[in-house]
Amino acid sequence: QVQLQQWGAGLLKPSETLSLTCAVYGGSVSDYYWSWIRQPPGKGLEWIGEINHSGSTHYNPSLKSRVTISVDTSKNQFSLKLSSVTAADTAVYYCASLRFLEWFDAFDIWGPGTMVTVYS
Amino acid sequence: AIQLTQSPSSLSASVGDRVTITCRASQGISSALAWYQQKPGKPPKVLIYDASSLESGVPSRFSGSGSGTDFTLAISSLQPEDFATYYCQQFNSYPFTFGQGTRLEIK
Repeated sequence: QVQLQQWGAGLLKPSETLSLTCAVYGGSVSDYYWSWIRQPPGKGLEWIGEINHSGSTHYNPSLKSRVTISVDTSKNQFSLKLSSVTAADTAVYYCASLRFLEWFDAFDIWGPGTMVTVYS
Repeated sequence: AIQLTQSPSSLSASVGDRVTITCRASQGISSALAWYQQKPGKPPKVLIYDASSLESGVPSRFSGSGSGTDFTLAISSLQPEDFATYYCQQFNSYPFTFGQGTRLEIK
């Protein structure tokens, strides 16, 4: 059973770069698609982007200019970087696996979430 | 981007009740819709995928229906552990989007 463990800095100042990593246990990062999703306090869910094992990505246009998602197959991990953060980026950030059969059908496995707060 | 609108935004019900939550897409998305349950402090959990397929391990009291623009999540007999927030989410096209959520509370 695949499990995800994530980590990264939880307190940032405006203009800094958010950096989070998600490690894959019980499976290979090469076998799945992977996503990052965030949730501001008390609010709904926002998809940030996805990556596959070959490094092909899709990003949410609302964040595309600031987002980079990468994969490290040697460490069985994938990562998120979000540049030039503001208070609006304060949220719980989740990594998740994106199940693909004939097409995507669910975010089926989720990390526990990392609370990131941007404060001035 | 495809917008998903859930109704109601909140709902009060009792144990044993049958409840339904609807999700309307701003354009047709075929059956590329999933439903998630989220409890406070926890990540979402997938309940339904492809609009009507029950995820393995999810109780059969949960069901999904619909295609195109209108979708429904039904819970046939509410259990205490079902009180949570529910989200729909589409995979028809990028960017993947979520509904705003429906909070299900105990009456």
